[in-house]
Amino acid sequence: LAKTTQPISMDSYEGQEVNITCSHNNIATNDYITWYQQFPSQGPRFIIQGYKTKVTNEVASLFIPADRKSSTLSLPRVSLSDTAVYYCLVVVTGANNLFFGTGTRLTVIP
Amino acid sequence: NAGVTQTPKFRVLKTGQSMTLLCAQDMNHEYMYWYRQDPGMGLRLIHYSVGEGTTAKGEVPDGYNVSRLKKQNFLLGLESAAPSQTSVYFCASSYLPDRQETQYFGPGTRLLVL
Repeated sequence: LAKTTQPISMDSYEGQEVNITCSHNNIATNDYITWYQQFPSQGPRFIIQGYKTKVTNEVASLFIPADRKSSTLSLPRVSLSDTAVYYCLVVVTGANNLFFGTGTRLTVIP
Repeated sequence: NAGVTQTPKFRVLKTGQSMTLLCAQDMNHEYMYWYRQDPGMGLRLIHYSVGEGTTAKGEVPDGYNVSRLKKQNFLLGLESAAPSQTSVYFCASSYLPDRQETQYFGPGTRLLVL
């Protein structure tokens, strides 16, 4: 299973774009990159998933370079409600479980 | 559609006591999972089930047992609670473990073992 590395914490002011980078040097051909968000006292919530290039949904964008050894979660114009822990996971197709690291604690400052 | 629910929300146990945590999902998902989350350690998989009547060990199964007698329910049991089992427990479910599927998490059960 590919191990992921991401910053422990980040701070950002409201209205700014936030980019959280995750490295996954040992990602395999069939693996997908998935990001979850967790608010205090709640379970994690799926944000976005991608295989290569760029994926965008109503919440975030995910950028994956050609070598797929890293990925960047982009949150546009963050608000205070985006304060949460963000987890980067490498998901093996057909795998029965997910492995969560310690995540990145994002704090949005007014 | 309630999604994934967990019972109880909070519990205090004494060392050696037993208890069962209940997870229920109404999404007709095949797969269900139990995780524990400790400060600074992210989530770790305890046990999971790939369908009714099946269970399998995850990353940290010792001290826990599980049962999946009904598709919609996944029970996590602690036969003899220890202070090291103080944690927040999350249940999750998914239709299939395929890349297109995501896991849906419950609100968590906070357990304190004294």
